[in-house]
Amino acid sequence: SYELTQPPSVSVSPGQTARITCSGDALPKKYAYWYQQKSGQAPVLVIYEDSKRPSGIPERFSGSSSGTMATLTISGAQVEDEADYYCYSTDSSGNLPYVFGTGTKVTVL
Amino acid sequence: QVQLVESGGGLVKPGGSLRLSCAASGFTFSDYYMNWIRQAPGKGLEWVSYISSSATYTKYADSVKGRFTISRDNAKNSLYLQMNNLRAEDTAVYYCARDSGYEHPDYWGQGTLVTVSS
Repeated sequence: SYELTQPPSVSVSPGQTARITCSGDALPKKYAYWYQQKSGQAPVLVIYEDSKRPSGIPERFSGSSSGTMATLTISGAQVEDEADYYCYSTDSSGNLPYVFGTGTKVTVL
Repeated sequence: QVQLVESGGGLVKPGGSLRLSCAASGFTFSDYYMNWIRQAPGKGLEWVSYISSSATYTKYADSVKGRFTISRDNAKNSLYLQMNNLRAEDTAVYYCARDSGYEHPDYWGQGTLVTVSS
């Protein structure tokens, strides 16, 4: 089955830049999306279609995609950005149309 | 504003059944595909099922196929998940999520916890 692979954890100091990668074979043909999930809360969409930001999401969140890798960048990370981040994409070739990445815990300290 | 409120979770024995509900408001429910997505304790997100806006199409993850049934009542702005023959590995928070129309969830409920244990 299709998989999206992320690093388990990323640590960053406040004000520094955090980069989270997501690797998947179908990413050259499919968009990547990113969700933020704070402890005990539901996920929130922070990036859609590789690099677009929904209204209300701070500009410090940006996304890019090249080849089989998508990247979420948090520029000038804030303490409130500490959360789990999941990439997401679609896979029309298999039986599982919607796939979430393995998740990355971002620690800001 | 878009609001999704799940209910129906609880403790059930292995082999038992449970029906989850999701009440939607703040948008035209009948225009949107809807999803169920779950998260086992301490684990990642797993897509479970989706249903088309008119309930014509449904799809399930292999892990629940044949045991779970998704349905909706557009007149009541409600989404359902009938879960039968539950297993310990079905223990999770179950989220109801609206599909944006572009093959990704855009709004999520707060989730309801299902615990399968004897």
